[in-house]
Amino acid sequence: SAVISQKPSRDICQRGTSLTIQCQVDSQVTMMFWYRQQPGQSLTLIATANQGSEATYESGFVIDKFPISRPNLTFSTLTVSNMSPEDSSIYLCSVEDPFGGTEAFFGQGTRLTVV
Amino acid sequence: SQQGEEDPQALSIQEGENATMNCSYKTSINNLQWYRQNSGRGLVHLILIRSNEREKHSGRLRVTLDTSKKSSSLLITASRAADTASYFCATDKGYSGNTPLVFGKGTRLSVIA
Repeated sequence: SAVISQKPSRDICQRGTSLTIQCQVDSQVTMMFWYRQQPGQSLTLIATANQGSEATYESGFVIDKFPISRPNLTFSTLTVSNMSPEDSSIYLCSVEDPFGGTEAFFGQGTRLTVV
Repeated sequence: SQQGEEDPQALSIQEGENATMNCSYKTSINNLQWYRQNSGRGLVHLILIRSNEREKHSGRLRVTLDTSKKSSSLLITASRAADTASYFCATDKGYSGNTPLVFGKGTRLSVIA
């Protein structure tokens, strides 16, 4: 299994500012995934973060808005830039089983409110 | 794009009753998983069923998979108030390697004591 520490757990931010979310995993993992969950909705993949290379973004998400860092095999950050109220969501990081299983593990999420 | 579609979107039952949630998906898969989310927090893995399996049990959970219909169901028997949560099915994209999961829209289950 993998344990992910995600922070902050929640924040209220002013529009136009940026917030950086951090995820720390207790095991080395190849890929980390960042999801957005808008109010009352399901999870939508933002990007896949590989260590040592640029993140791969899904359609509708761009690096300028959601820059991602992956400095090593246990850590990643997602920044939500130039925020607007439409960015109010829960943001979750996820990894697959570092020991080869197919189960995914999630951080506890960051509940972001932009005012 | 979302692959899984759950129904119902919301379900309210009395404690002790069974809860059934359904999920449909669109493309070939290697496996299908069900996750639980409490109050908008992180997701917790419940059960995985592989594409060559038709039924799987884990405690009070029973999952079925029909690959010909591209559908799955999750049954929670003898529900408890603590089962109140959102439940999501998730699929891979059908090829090997570290693929991110694609989640359905979810079912919000309320179990009334």
